[in-house]
Parts: sequence; structure tokens; C-alpha cells
Amino acid sequence: DSGVTQTPKHLITATGQRVTLRCSPRSGDLSVYWYQQSLDQGLQFLIQYYNGEERAKGNILERFSAQQFPDLHSELNLSSLELGDSALYFCASSHPGGGQTGNTIYFGEGSWLTVV
Amino acid sequence: AQKVTQAQTEISVVEKEDVTLDCVYETRDTTYYLFWYKQPPSGELVFLIRRNSFDEQNEISGRYSWNFQKSTSSFNFTITASQVVDSAVYFCALIDGSARQLTFGSGTQLTVLP
Repeated sequence: DSGVTQTPKHLITATGQRVTLRCSPRSGDLSVYWYQQSLDQGLQFLIQYYNGEERAKGNILERFSAQQFPDLHSELNLSSLELGDSALYFCASSHPGGGQTGNTIYFGEGSWLTVV
Repeated sequence: AQKVTQAQTEISVVEKEDVTLDCVYETRDTTYYLFWYKQPPSGELVFLIRRNSFDEQNEISGRYSWNFQKSTSSFNFTITASQVVDSAVYFCALIDGSARQLTFGSGTQLTVLP
């Protein structure tokens, strides 16, 4: 158990809909990352938050947004869903220094999103 | 820019064989960190090891060992006496001083047959 908690574990929704994925980081971790894993794109970095502030942005679509709340949990919002958004979405967290200082980045179990 | 290459897409071995998973990385930074993660069929990403660029000492943890060679920009992972439970996708990843996120290789699917 990495200590990173993601909900829901599985989600099936229709095209055009909006979903919210939730993540609770490990106790004491200030950095939260979101990754998308799809069959054709592999593991892709979406976005990073550090103590409530956006710190880095990767290949995140404009239809997607995220935030980190004062209690450090994070949500990833996916809207106007398309079939191609079907993927495994990971949340990860690391200690205050973040991955750049070499702190280990721990991943949650992921949220399986299926868009039908 | 950082890049990680795992040239082996799939490897299949018979139980008790040793197997080495290759990882080659690219970075312009002198300070960087390398990771290996395991993704079993259930889907979670499990952290295995972290190594910084200043520590080329090889590491052994039970049946797992890692060989870090800066001269060849490689960070290979060996499983000794493989077991069926080792079957998973293994990812090598890199983060350097200029990036703010892990860059993953494409992963190696390891299948250990009984």
C-alpha cells in the first residue's frame, strides 16, 4: 500500500459527460501529480500541484482541469469526454521537495475510466 | 529534454531463470534520479527503487538487483531466480533537475512461465 488513495477505482460513463477523480496523497506529502496511462500513449504526465499551487503542466487537454485543496487532496476533472479518454488515471504524491530533489514519487492504484 | 528507452517490449522466461530488463536514459543534467516501478496485472504502480546520479553503486534487494552505469547511460534491472509472481510490466523512469515530472519508458512486459 503506497498510502496514496484514489477514488473511484472504476468508472464507466458516456461520451460528452463529465467526471471527477479524487486523490488523497500520502500523509505529509505536499506534491500531487496526475498521470494518464493509455494503451497507445503509455504513461503521460498531466499536471502537478504543490501545496495548492499548480507547479507544472504536461500534456493535459483543455477539457481537463485539476486542483489541490487546502487539505492537500486533489481532484482531476474530465469534461466533454470522448472515447479516447478511456484510460487508467494515476495520482501520485511526494515529499515537500518533490521528485526533482530525488524524493520518491508514490503512485495510487489508479482510476480506470471507460468512456462508452 | 529527458528520455527513457526500454527497448525490450516483452520478455518471457521460465520460472527460476534470471532475467535482465534494460533501461537507457538521456538527460543533459548532471543531477538526475532514476526509478523502477512494477505494474502487476491488477494495475497499480509499485515503487521498486530510486537511484541518484551521484551514486553508481549497484544495489541488491533479495532477488532484485540494479546495475547503474553512467558511462553507458543505463540502469538495468535483474531478477534472479524469477517467479510467476514477478510477471508484470516494469517501467524505468527519470527525473532531472530541469523537469518537474517523471518521464517513463514504454515499459517491459515480463511473463514468467511455471
